[in-house]
Amino acid sequence: DAGITQSPRYKITETGRQVTLMCHQTWSHSYMFWYRQDLGHGLRLIYYSAAADITDKGEVPDGYVVSRSKTENFPLTLESATRSQTSVYFCASRKQGLAKNIQYFGAGTRLSVL
Amino acid sequence: KNEVEQSPQNLTAQEGEFITINCSYSVGISALHWLQQHPGGGIVSLFMLSSGKKKHGRLIATINIQEKHSSLHITASHPRDSAVYICAVPLSNDYKLSFGAGTTVTVRA
Repeated sequence: DAGITQSPRYKITETGRQVTLMCHQTWSHSYMFWYRQDLGHGLRLIYYSAAADITDKGEVPDGYVVSRSKTENFPLTLESATRSQTSVYFCASRKQGLAKNIQYFGAGTRLSVL
Repeated sequence: KNEVEQSPQNLTAQEGEFITINCSYSVGISALHWLQQHPGGGIVSLFMLSSGKKKHGRLIATINIQEKHSSLHITASHPRDSAVYICAVPLSNDYKLSFGAGTTVTVRA
């Protein structure tokens, strides 16, 4: 089924390790987003991308790196994972155009950093 | 700062009860989103509305742009409605969303 998929769904890693979370969408949406969801904070934007090769920081970008060489993929890398990065990560995409366009979310990746 | 405030934070209802969740925002917006997240699940967009009212099954969303307020109503609630409901608004002239903290709804049989 086409849509937006995240992998892996669950990941356990150790502090200091590099981790990459994958996000793939089949709609050719221009915009893609990475959020983290933590108790007491709700969803917070980490990075977003308006198109291939165009990325920008969100609210909480420190410790994360993104790339977007192809429209359909938007990987999120934790270069040196820390315990504070234990969270649930959601990728989302939406069409170009009006700000009110719906964002479509992936199923999420639950990351534990030990 | 939080552009979006939701209330209540938690809500427990008996099956069949009418439920209301409120969302207030402080920025001018073009539209407001209501999202649903089931326990351990992904996030689904329920409504995007810019005026008036929208209805989908037992869910009704209303918005008052002048008062910067929206409500999500669940009629004849059912245990499967148990989820976190999240309100989100686009930041002005931008494609990023600002999210409320969510309302956790539990419907008991």
